[in-house]
Order: sequence, then structure tokens, then C-alpha cells
Amino acid sequence: EIVLTQSPGTLSLSPGERATLPCRASQSVSSSYLAWYQQKPGQAPRLLIYGASRRATGIPDRFSGSGSGTDFTLTISRLEPEDFAVYYCQQYGSSPLTFGGGTKVEIK
Amino acid sequence: QVQLVQSGAEVKKPGASVKVSCKASGYTFTGYYMHWVRQAPGQGLEWMGWINPKSGGTNYAQKFQGRVTMTRDTSISTAYMELSRLRFDDTAVYYCARLDGEYGMDVWGQGTTVIVSS
Repeated sequence: EIVLTQSPGTLSLSPGERATLPCRASQSVSSSYLAWYQQKPGQAPRLLIYGASRRATGIPDRFSGSGSGTDFTLTISRLEPEDFAVYYCQQYGSSPLTFGGGTKVEIK
Repeated sequence: QVQLVQSGAEVKKPGASVKVSCKASGYTFTGYYMHWVRQAPGQGLEWMGWINPKSGGTNYAQKFQGRVTMTRDTSISTAYMELSRLRFDDTAVYYCARLDGEYGMDVWGQGTTVIVSS
């Protein structure tokens, strides 16, 4: 099983700042199968990034993904008020599919 | 539009079973695997398994083997997840989600809250 580690668990930032969220895998993940999701309280997760770096339909270009192998990053270039939420990375290339523990981006 | 609509909240006693439905619309139901993911209160996302709606084939996370059964009814474009021998720690929101090959889980149901309480 591929374990995904997201640290820190919480990021305290101000609107307009840049957010950098890391995701480290216990073994290599095919870049085609690494995704990022955003989740707000009481809502289902929303796909942001798939294939490590490809934005899903309708996702603003302030969201970007990068990385390969075991180290991946989600970057939000300038935080908007609606971006304060929890972010999960996921690998879906090998079974069992696994999620990271999540990083909460909170308002400082 | 493409959407997944899940059944309503359930309250069950320990040892009982629960069956959650997920109705797909706006796309070809048999063209995409359906996954189930759960989230305990205040916790992260946990993958439970998938069903291939075309063949009925399934793949379950080892943790749920023997307790979970995923089925589908193609005539009504609906997937089901049944969890048996419920325990208190099965209290969670259960989501269905469509996996579009290398494109990730791009469509999610609204979630079904299952509470296990005596």
C-alpha cells in the first residue's frame, strides 16, 4: 500500500499569500495517477488537479500541481477567501487507492 | 448535467447492515468505474473499493473484505454499497465517486450520513 503523507496538517496564511502544500509518497507514484482535492465543511471533495499537474475543468489557474516519483506539491498562487479549506492528495494508480491525511489551509 | 445522487441518512444499530444507493445521470453509467469513499467525523478520506458497472466486477479494500458488497443495477443507472455487521466506528459520511481513468474522481455524490448507535 502506498502511504501518502501531508505535512503540515494546518497552514495559517492570509488572503493574497502563496500556499505550498506538499504530499510525500512511501513509494513511487505514477504521475498520471496523482490527484488533489479540495473539501469545504459539509461538502463533498472537489477534484482540483489530476495527473499531478493537470487542472480539472473549471479550476482557476491560481491552482497548480507539480512533482513526480514520491514528492508532489499543490500550489495556490494567491489565496482567495474561498480557498480556505482542507486539501487532500490521492494516488489512484495502484490498489488500494489511498489518500493523504489532508492539509487544512486556515485564515491567519 | 453529470451528477450522482445518493440516498438519505441512516441510523443503524450495531450488528445491522446498511445499503446506500448512488444514482447516476447525465452520462453513460457503464462507462466509468464507481468508487466508494468514507469519512468519519473530523477525519480524512478512506477508500473502500470500486465496482465496474459494465461487468459487475469489484475490488474491495482489505479492511472491508467480508463486510462490504458493491452491486449495481444498470437498468436504473444506480450503484449500491452495503456494509454489514456495523460497528460504532462505521459512523461516517459515505460518498460514491466516478473515476474517469487517469482523470481522477471527477464527480462525487453529495454523501450519505450513516450513524451507528445503540
